[in-house]
This record gives sequence, C-alpha cells and structure tokens, in this order.
Amino acid sequence: DAGVIQSPRHEVTEMGQEVTLRCKPISGHDYLFWYRQTMMRGLELLIYFNNNVPIDDSGMPEDRFSAKMPNASFSTLKIQPSEPRDSAVYFCASSPPGEGRTGELFFGEGSRLTVL
Amino acid sequence: LAKTTQPISMDSYEGQEVNITCSHNNIATNDYITWYQQFPSQGPRFIIQGYKTKVTNEVASLFIPADRKSSTLSLPRVSLSDTAVYYCPRGFQKLVFGTGTRLLVSP
Repeated sequence: DAGVIQSPRHEVTEMGQEVTLRCKPISGHDYLFWYRQTMMRGLELLIYFNNNVPIDDSGMPEDRFSAKMPNASFSTLKIQPSEPRDSAVYFCASSPPGEGRTGELFFGEGSRLTVL
Repeated sequence: LAKTTQPISMDSYEGQEVNITCSHNNIATNDYITWYQQFPSQGPRFIIQGYKTKVTNEVASLFIPADRKSSTLSLPRVSLSDTAVYYCPRGFQKLVFGTGTRLLVSP
C-alpha cells in the first residue's frame, strides 16, 4: 500500500487566500485524522472522522477552518481566508478498523503551509 | 484531555540503551499506551503499543506498571538514526500529543 497520501507537500500563499489541503487515507481504514504541527503548539488534533462522519471537531481553531470527507478515500481541509498564524505543517492520518480505538495511526508526510 | 508528561530532551551515545519515561496520571481505563517516533520533515511513526506489563517488538520495549500511571519506552543499543522526537500521546480514538522528548544520539 502507498500509505497516506497528502497534497500539496508545500504551499505558499498570501493572507486572505483560500487554501485546500487534500488527503487520501490508506484503503480499508475507517478513521481519518487531521493534525496541525507548529513549534509553539506542537502536534494538535483538529478533527477526526469515522466512516466518513465527523466525530469530533473541537480542535478546529475557528470558523475559517472546515473539513470534509465525501467518501472513504478522500478528505479535504480548507482554510478560508488564510492568515499568517495558520502557517504550520498539516498532517493527515488514518487508522484501520479496530486500531483507531487503540491508537495506532498511520501518518502522511504532511503539507507545509506558509501564509505570507 | 490533559496531556502526558515526558522529558523535553535526552542525550545518549551510540550503543547505549535509552529509557524514556512518560507520566499518564489521568489515564482512562480504555486508553492504550502508545509511543511514536518523528523525524524532521516526516509524520510521526507508530513504534509500540501496550495496555499493561511489558511489550517487546523488533524496535523497542515498553514497560507499563500495574497502576498504568507511567510507561517507559526502552530503545536498546541506539544508533545515530534513532535521533528523533518521541511521543507518548494520550487518549482513546482521539490521540492528544504533547511536545515529545527530543533524543539526540551522538557518536
């Protein structure tokens, strides 16, 4: 399996622009997680889905952030409008049935976002 | 969810055994204890998982006392390539990561 695939790997944009990050989880996995990592705040959970349904979005910083999972093989994280403080590495992770309950997550390589 | 507590950094030399301890004071009954490793510019990678007692795999050993309020990740005979950040996130389904332990292995 190719693992969790994220795109783009790097994104540089200007303040106010819309940003869309994409994630393809490992086939057969039923949990999908979006995390954000910064030097100041470490690795933060933003939102996670189970069987394409959002379960907990309490980590989403504000209304500018939204996430969708239209099917089992695709998820997006959108920031609109973007701000410089959104600059971070955004990770997507997935987990197979059963393992999502125990903590074995498979992470993608991340999308590094820079908002100027 | 309160985060786990672990040392910010540790230094070691090649060939030594490294033990990293994590405090799980508020661990819930359903929570497993997991450890992750992260290299620069990569996502965290699952290393090992346990519920209680001792677990060993090809990479590491995990020691969990009976009260489960702490855990110790043991890396035998570390090499330079073990230099990374190690996390012991807490949670059940929803993992909360702290800032991790930055391990530096020197020649």
